[in-house]
Amino acid sequence: QSALTQPPSASGSPGQSVTISCTGTSSDVGGYNYVSWYQQHPGKAPKLMIYEVSKRPSGVPDRFSGSKSGNTASLTVSGLQAEDEADYYCSSYAGSNIRVFGTGTKVTVL
Amino acid sequence: QVQLVQSGAEVKKPGASVKVSCKASGYTFTSYGISWVRQAPGQGLEWMGWISAYNGNTNYAQKLQGRVTMTTDTSTSTAYMELRSLRSDDTAVYYCARDRGGYGYYMDVWGKGTTVTVSS
Repeated sequence: QSALTQPPSASGSPGQSVTISCTGTSSDVGGYNYVSWYQQHPGKAPKLMIYEVSKRPSGVPDRFSGSKSGNTASLTVSGLQAEDEADYYCSSYAGSNIRVFGTGTKVTVL
Repeated sequence: QVQLVQSGAEVKKPGASVKVSCKASGYTFTSYGISWVRQAPGQGLEWMGWISAYNGNTNYAQKLQGRVTMTTDTSTSTAYMELRSLRSDDTAVYYCARDRGGYGYYMDVWGKGTTVTVSS
């Protein structure tokens, strides 16, 4: 049950796009289409942004999109806005009813 | 509206136990599970385990096996997480989250968190 690997940081100017990767193994990310992404602002609880690799919950802007290729999942934020500055975590199902989180990525809007 | 309300902050001594509660409202409690997630100061999210509110089945993270117990009380729509033999590195914010279980394995509603401080 090792944490999924994410880059520590990512950044972009307002209006630009930023993509965050989430690398696991064939036992988690690569083995199931159950990758989810969470946004966390400082001092706040996480918020679900993407589930089942690419689905958006109601109320999440379509600027947020998810994808997966092999053992790596990705979250893309298009048209960056100031309020998108936050920490982002991926999570994957890892079999036997176990979930695992990524190491987290701090997104900075320049 | 759907919400999870957690119990208040706790301060415990090393070796003690802590029990955090998470009261659900606005949805059918037994139709979902509850995951518990913790976050040490300045660190990332750590999944601790999951409990089905339907039948009480549990699955725990390997590193916490033997120290953690998750339970539910369906009469009050409340989930509980007990952590025993506390150590200083258990100091963290503990979150409960509604978990879809086999219907997607994602956490769509979160509590505000409970701060647990372990200090002598």
